[in-house]
Amino acid sequence: NAGVTQTPKFRVLKTGQSMTLLCAQDMNHEYMYWYRQDPGMGLRLIHYSVGEGTTAKGEVPDGYNVSRLKKQNFLLGLESAAPSQTSVYFCASWEAGGPNTEAFFGQGTRLTVV
Amino acid sequence: EDKVVQSPLSLVVHEGDTVTLNCSYEVTNFRSLLWYKQEKKAPTFLFMLTSSGIEKKSGRLSSILDKKELFSILNITATQTGDSAVYLCAGHKGAQKLVFGQGTRLTINP
Repeated sequence: NAGVTQTPKFRVLKTGQSMTLLCAQDMNHEYMYWYRQDPGMGLRLIHYSVGEGTTAKGEVPDGYNVSRLKKQNFLLGLESAAPSQTSVYFCASWEAGGPNTEAFFGQGTRLTVV
Repeated sequence: EDKVVQSPLSLVVHEGDTVTLNCSYEVTNFRSLLWYKQEKKAPTFLFMLTSSGIEKKSGRLSSILDKKELFSILNITATQTGDSAVYLCAGHKGAQKLVFGQGTRLTINP
């Protein structure tokens, strides 16, 4: 059972370059999330999705776009990377409706923008 | 605005000590409070708390929620070096959103 898989695990970008982070889950979860984690800031929600074909903004959405074309995949795009987007990115998925379920996290993507 | 605040931000203790980590929250449409442990990579689930006053335990770890005072604590007894990690709490609100605190970095010295 793979759970939540993120690719790539590491990436270095130059300012202005674009890239897409892929998150795949095999648990048939409805809800998926993208967070960024910076030192001393905990996890901040970038965008999330409550089902295939839906997306919504979180706390820090600027500079990012997302798509959920298939239920199992949630893509995070950076159109023009900036040094402020240097961070560790985590994807998570959650089962809809259950009050006693947990969010499962991927292993993270460490992105450096130079 | 939803807010989850953890304290202390950093804690260093000796192996065998007992520690208490704090989490206060102001989250609209609150449903539950979750605790995660994060070592080098992905956060791993510890507890989900939905009811006040009911302690959840797992080995040396325990946690409790106070929905009136809007806080939760995570206790670790007889700490071991393997307990060194960042501990995150999160408020679960409507629309299945998780709002995280800044985390507490716990270091256990031998």
